[in-house]
Amino acid sequence: GENVEQHPSTLSVQEGDSAVIKCTYSDSASNYFPWYKQELGKRPQLIIDIRSNVGEKKDQRIAVTLNKTAKHFSLHITETQPEDSAVYFCAAAGGTSYGKLTFGQGTILTVHP
Amino acid sequence: DGGITQSPKYLFRKEGQNVTLSCEQNLNHDAMYWYRQDPGQGLRLIYYSQIVNDFQKGDIAEGYSVSREKKESFPLTVTSAQKNPTAFYLCASSKGPNSSGNEQFFGPGTRLTVL
Repeated sequence: GENVEQHPSTLSVQEGDSAVIKCTYSDSASNYFPWYKQELGKRPQLIIDIRSNVGEKKDQRIAVTLNKTAKHFSLHITETQPEDSAVYFCAAAGGTSYGKLTFGQGTILTVHP
Repeated sequence: DGGITQSPKYLFRKEGQNVTLSCEQNLNHDAMYWYRQDPGQGLRLIYYSQIVNDFQKGDIAEGYSVSREKKESFPLTVTSAQKNPTAFYLCASSKGPNSSGNEQFFGPGTRLTVL
């Protein structure tokens, strides 16, 4: 089945800096890669996703890049703000994991004012 | 935050007891999922159902059981066979297979503590 590795497990930045979280996946047939944000004590919420036919996608301060050859994808947050502090999860679906998501282990992002 | 609900929010169980966690959605979604979340381990899939009256084991199904008799409901039973059930349980739903780009929507979660 699919295996998703996420790094780093914790990330600390100063307000205004950029943050990058990276994930690798094992199943070359995976075709859908969402990113979820989970604030303390709350449910995960989708912040951005990308399909395998696209290399990059942006939404204001958030962007995701996908390298199918290397089987990795990354989340980029620019001009970070304290409210960006949360746990971020990457995931992959498709291929042998058809119909369901396999999640990475999560990254705790802390943005210091 | 409507659409998918879980109850109760907090649940305490004595060792040896079975407990059932409720998950209901009014989004008309075909697929539903149960995850367990432990600190530092992300979301691990327990069971999922792509359609009514059908479900499949996820990565950590041992000690758990589910049913999908109605499209709107996907209850999870934590049995006494689950050796370490204390965790945060999240239910989710999606319109169709995630591989088709269908977003998963999560419920607010149930925090289960075994005393």
